[in-house]
Amino acid sequence: EIVLTQSPATLSVSPGERATLSCGASQSVSSTHLAWYQQKPGLAPRLLIYDASSRAAGIPDRFSGSGSGTDFTLTISRLEPEDFAVYYCHYYGGSPWAFGQGTKVEIK
Amino acid sequence: QITLQESGPTLVKPTETLTLTCTFSGFSLSTSGVTVGWVRQPPGEALQWLALIYWNDDKRYSPSLKNRLTITKDTSKNQVVLTMTNMDPVDTGTYYCAHRDAHCSSGTSCYTPTPFDYWGQGTLVTVSS
Repeated sequence: EIVLTQSPATLSVSPGERATLSCGASQSVSSTHLAWYQQKPGLAPRLLIYDASSRAAGIPDRFSGSGSGTDFTLTISRLEPEDFAVYYCHYYGGSPWAFGQGTKVEIK
Repeated sequence: QITLQESGPTLVKPTETLTLTCTFSGFSLSTSGVTVGWVRQPPGEALQWLALIYWNDDKRYSPSLKNRLTITKDTSKNQVVLTMTNMDPVDTGTYYCAHRDAHCSSGTSCYTPTPFDYWGQGTLVTVSS
């Protein structure tokens, strides 16, 4: 069973700055089985990145994903006001599917 | 376009059985490669995957909840139903259904892993006496 650990739990960033979020897997996973979601209060998660580095439809290019094996990263190059939210990484390679515990990106 | 909508009780008592329905449009669960899953989220906590049903009626369950969960589909009604027995206050949270598609019409395996791309708005279930 894959366990995903995200860090940090909370990231305080100023608008316009860069945010780097980490996701560690308890064992090596294929990069084609790792996604990132954004979730705002009261809303469903929104798919940002799939296959570790591919942006989903309509996602701005300030969002990028990278990584392989057990270490994956979501980078937001220049934070816009609408980017302050909670971000989850997600393993979808097989049962059981897993989510990380989330990183909250808050305004500094 | 693809939409999903969860429905069911907002309040259940401890030990009762929860039945949630996901009604969807814009796709068919009889199409090879299409799956619908359930994910829940306790208040202020992380997402937790619960169950998944495939176009061919194959099913997967979270190991920690397997004994309490049943997922079924009614293709003619475009619905997926999740039942969870022996509800407890720790089961309180928002329950989401979500769609995924392996797009295997292009020749890839219909079991190719893909992420959940469309989600319902979620339904809050409170477990309390």
